[in-house]
Amino acid sequence: GAVVSQHPSRVICKSGTSVKIECRSLDFQATTMFWYRQFPKKSLMLMATSNEGSKATYEQGVEKDKFLINHASLTLSTLTVTSAHPEDSSFYICSARDPDEIFADTQYFGPGTRLTVL
Amino acid sequence: AQKVTQAQTEISVVEKEDVTLDCVYETRDTTYYLFWYKQPPSGELVFLIRRNSFDEQNEISGRYSWNFQKSTSSFNFTITASQVVDSAVYFCALSEATLPYNNNDMRFGAGTRLTVKP
Repeated sequence: GAVVSQHPSRVICKSGTSVKIECRSLDFQATTMFWYRQFPKKSLMLMATSNEGSKATYEQGVEKDKFLINHASLTLSTLTVTSAHPEDSSFYICSARDPDEIFADTQYFGPGTRLTVL
Repeated sequence: AQKVTQAQTEISVVEKEDVTLDCVYETRDTTYYLFWYKQPPSGELVFLIRRNSFDEQNEISGRYSWNFQKSTSSFNFTITASQVVDSAVYFCALSEATLPYNNNDMRFGAGTRLTVKP
């Protein structure tokens, strides 16, 4: 299956700072990537769809000015949590589909980034 | 609207026991895809299987098997002779047919936490 990486795997920051998380497709080009948020012992919640070359599509209730998404290339999408606060502490996971796969609807997930805001 | 229900929040078994994780889904589409993902303590979601709505054949992969029954809208997952390494949260997900795959309609169940004790 396709491989997706995320960096960093863990980050601790002070309240008010901004944090950037990178999501990369390592062995395929992804025109679309997805960002999820997962609270402890909860399911995944889709935050936004990241489209290469265009604006991201945000789910209802997700602040686009708070969570900036940039899909800079066919293999890289970044999520920036701006002016982070303790309530933004969570596990952030990205995923991507390989458009060249026969079953191109399968999402492959990155290892996740655990954000802790002090 | 799509919906995925994993009624079992937590399951605990002793090593070598068989265990079945239930998944019931709702969709109005005739074409859809079902998935199972494994999330070990490390956090990364591991793709296990994809099944399309036209293929009701059961599948076996080593100790894993899946039973897809459209009549009951279920896609259950059985682990035979469970091992400690099987301990993880397992998510069932549903995706309605989307083209050209640049949007995301994948819906996850709440997950089932499986603990396999030695």
